[in-house]
Amino acid sequence: QSVLTQPPSASGTPGQRVVISCSGSRSNIGSYSVNWYQQLPGAAPKLLIFKTDQRPARVPDRFSASKSGTSASLAISGLQSDDEADYYCASWDDSLNGPWVFGGGTKLTVL
Amino acid sequence: EVQLVQSGGGLSQPGGSLKVSCAASGFAVTTNYMTWVRQAPGKALEWVSTLYPAGDTFYADSVKGRFSISEDKSTNTLELQMNSLRVEDTGFYFCARMVVLAVTPKVNWFDPWGQGTLVTVSS
Repeated sequence: QSVLTQPPSASGTPGQRVVISCSGSRSNIGSYSVNWYQQLPGAAPKLLIFKTDQRPARVPDRFSASKSGTSASLAISGLQSDDEADYYCASWDDSLNGPWVFGGGTKLTVL
Repeated sequence: EVQLVQSGGGLSQPGGSLKVSCAASGFAVTTNYMTWVRQAPGKALEWVSTLYPAGDTFYADSVKGRFSISEDKSTNTLELQMNSLRVEDTGFYFCARMVVLAVTPKVNWFDPWGQGTLVTVSS
C-alpha cells in the first residue's frame, strides 16, 4: 500500500490529452512539492517533473503538472505511442511514512 | 555527462549478503546527496536509503539494521551493503543522485538514475 495514491491505469489515443492524479495528505503533498518520474518498459525511472510543475530541459512541453491542496496531477497532451510507460509521483513526507514516499504508479497505455 | 553506472547484485539465499555499487561520472558522490530506491517485480518504487554529504544516513524501516549505505571516494562510487537478506528484498535496485534546494533539503528530486541492478533472494 503506497502512501501516495494513483490510479493503476490510464489510457488514451494518439493526440489526446490524459491526466494522471496523485492523492496524498497534509504531511506530504499538502506541505511539499511533488516530483513525477517516467519509467519506460524495462528501463530505469527518469525525472519528468520536479518542484511540482518544473520540467527538465529535455522534457517536451506536452508534459505539465500542478497540485492543489493534498492532490497533484500530471497532464500529457498530444499523446504519442512512446509515452506508453509507468508514471510515479513522489514527495517528501513528514510523518512516520517518510521521508521519501512514492505513489503506486500509473500504467499509461496508448491505444 | 552526469551518469550513474551500477554493478553487483545477483542471487543470494535468505540470510545471505550482497553488495550493489553505483559508479558516478560527471560529479562527485561525496559532495552530493545519494539515494537507493528499489522495485520488487511488478511493483511500485520504494525508497531504501539516502546518504547526505555530511555523512548522515537514512534507512527505510524495512531495511534498517540490515543494509548499510556508504561511498568510496577513491572510485567515486556509492555502495549498498545488504546483509541478512530476506525473500522480500528481491527486486531491482536503483541508485540516484538527489538534487536538493539550497534552502531546504525537504525540496528535492532524484536525477539522474542508474540503470538498475537485480537482486534475487531465494532458497
